[in-house]
Amino acid sequence: DTAVSQTPKYLVTQMGNDKSIKCEQNLGHDTMYWYKQDSKKFLKIMFSYNNKELIINETVPNRFSPKSPDKAHLNLHINSLELGDSAVYFCASSQLREADTQYFGPGTRLTVL
Amino acid sequence: AQKVTQAQTEISVVEKEDVTLDCVYETRDTTYYLFWYKQPPSGELVFLIRRNSFDEQNEISGRYSWNFQKSTSSFNFTITASQVVDSAVYFCALKETGTYKYIFGTGTRLKVLA
Repeated sequence: DTAVSQTPKYLVTQMGNDKSIKCEQNLGHDTMYWYKQDSKKFLKIMFSYNNKELIINETVPNRFSPKSPDKAHLNLHINSLELGDSAVYFCASSQLREADTQYFGPGTRLTVL
Repeated sequence: AQKVTQAQTEISVVEKEDVTLDCVYETRDTTYYLFWYKQPPSGELVFLIRRNSFDEQNEISGRYSWNFQKSTSSFNFTITASQVVDSAVYFCALKETGTYKYIFGTGTRLKVLA
């Protein structure tokens, strides 16, 4: 029943490690997003894919690499994790008609030690 | 340029009080969409409402109501008879036509005290 799901929900890791967060949506949407929410709750868009094609690529370190194997999945891989990467990462999806609403996953809390 | 301003960083009210959360936006587009989301302490982001720029009718859903005024570029959210469960961070967002991006405000933290 879950519309947008993310795994894992919590991720604790050491600096320098590489980690991935997975996102899946079963809403039949064609567009997916990754957002980063910092400790002050500010939501910053990172990437967006439409039908597996990258359409938004904000100013994000190239240690972050999104991958969309199909339009229902958008994964986020992070290399060489840094302390400043600690945040909550949200996946979202929408249908790219003009009026469509973005629906969010539950978030992944990443803590880099 | 697109921008969403939520000037109220934090609001505290006592249960049963009414409270209004302000949202002011900037856009050059004539067609755009406005949204409100709720983020309770559990952390998920919950969609509350979507409004398009052609529809200035106010909307009411239970204790929630929204006042959209194009003349002042505002889309304010009022909670009537607030309850402790309304405690959350509320985000206003804007999406212009022809873009893929949703622009979020910085959020307003609402604390409803028993």
